[in-house]
Amino acid sequence: ILNVEQSPQSLHVQEGDSTNFTCSFPSSNFYALHWYRWETAKSPEALFVMTLNGDEKKKGRISATLNTKEGYSYLYIKGSQPEDSATYLCAFGGSQGNLIFGKGTKLSVKP
Amino acid sequence: DGGITQSPKYLFRKEGQNVTLSCEQNLNHDAMYWYRQDPGQGLRLIYYSQIVNDFQKGDIAEGYSVSREKKESFPLTVTSAQKNPTAFYLCASSISVGATSYEQYFGPGTRLTVT
Repeated sequence: ILNVEQSPQSLHVQEGDSTNFTCSFPSSNFYALHWYRWETAKSPEALFVMTLNGDEKKKGRISATLNTKEGYSYLYIKGSQPEDSATYLCAFGGSQGNLIFGKGTKLSVKP
Repeated sequence: DGGITQSPKYLFRKEGQNVTLSCEQNLNHDAMYWYRQDPGQGLRLIYYSQIVNDFQKGDIAEGYSVSREKKESFPLTVTSAQKNPTAFYLCASSISVGATSYEQYFGPGTRLTVT
């Protein structure tokens, strides 16, 4: 059974703090690693799709790294803002052709 | 505007009744998916479809059925055989399912409550 683990489960930070989350996934049969942001009362939206070992992606204050050999990805948020409050999902794409999602990390940013 | 629509947002049914959840997309995507979310769980795949008139079971297909008669539409029927149907249901689409390097686009979801 393929398992995708995310940590921490939840995180509370102050506005301006930088933070990071971890996603662990199987290191074999790797095709892609996705990160999604899911704000309350909205639909999940894709942040990054990474396919190569060593990939680093950036979108504004959010960045992500990928290590496929050891099976982990980090998501970083620099200078957190209240609008960053959301659940961040990672999903592993393997040879099975669909995505396996982790349970998510819920981030709350206090003004 | 391009996107995915799901209706209704909230749905209530009595136990023993079948219910169909709607999902429509105008993104011209080949692949469509149905996920279920329960408290404390990740999104779990129910069914997916790569092309019209074709679909495959996901991890938790028992008690569900789908159809894909049109590219734009992928309705999900929750049958009376589904033992715990109360959940939040998300529909998604992507350009193709063959390569998991394509991002998925999600609808707003339907919250189904069965009593």
